[in-house]
Amino acid sequence: AQKVTQAQTEISVVEKEDVTLDCVYETRDTTYYLFWYKQPPSGELVFLIRRNSFDEQNEISGRYSWNFQKSTSSFNFTITASQVVDSAVYFCALSEIWGNTPLVFGKGTRLSVIA
Amino acid sequence: SAVISQKPSRDICQRGTSLTIQCQVDSQVTMMFWYRQQPGQSLTLIATANQGSEATYESGFVIDKFPISRPNLTFSTLTVSNMSPEDSSIYLCSVEAPNRDREAFFGQGTRLTVV
Repeated sequence: AQKVTQAQTEISVVEKEDVTLDCVYETRDTTYYLFWYKQPPSGELVFLIRRNSFDEQNEISGRYSWNFQKSTSSFNFTITASQVVDSAVYFCALSEIWGNTPLVFGKGTRLSVIA
Repeated sequence: SAVISQKPSRDICQRGTSLTIQCQVDSQVTMMFWYRQQPGQSLTLIATANQGSEATYESGFVIDKFPISRPNLTFSTLTVSNMSPEDSSIYLCSVEAPNRDREAFFGQGTRLTVV
């Protein structure tokens, strides 16, 4: 069975600090996708990134970066120079590549960035 | 990308009543997923809705409580029946757009409060 663990329930940082959100996953599949979604206070889910299990290259997009380590089954998310607008709940998710099964979500990490 | 229109965006309902949530997608999709997000919790899948067949419910969710309709490839409804305060949650519909590598798109969510 697939499982996603986000051990950090809540994190608070001061603006401009860097922060890393942890995600550890379990799956029997050899190929899979990993995702991060952001849920701001308004409630909608915003897609941030998808990572294919074939590709262990780290990715950077502006202030966001992702560290995929297949050996430790982790897909951590770092926000550099955090801003108040980054305050949200962040979900890590996992899916098989082939098929129509839905995403499996972690419990989420609530990030509060304080000015 | 897929654009999903979900309504109502929020509602306050009396216990014992029912609420129907609508989800409209701007493209044809095979499967639509309904999630519940209880306060401070992650997303829990309620059911998967295929057009032309009965929805498939996850453990803990039953058709009598959460009837789902899927009359065509762009529309679905979820009804929350005989509501109690424990049903107060955000309800989200989700689809995976064709050829989008399992990227899931979400409606804006329906924030339901049962009093």
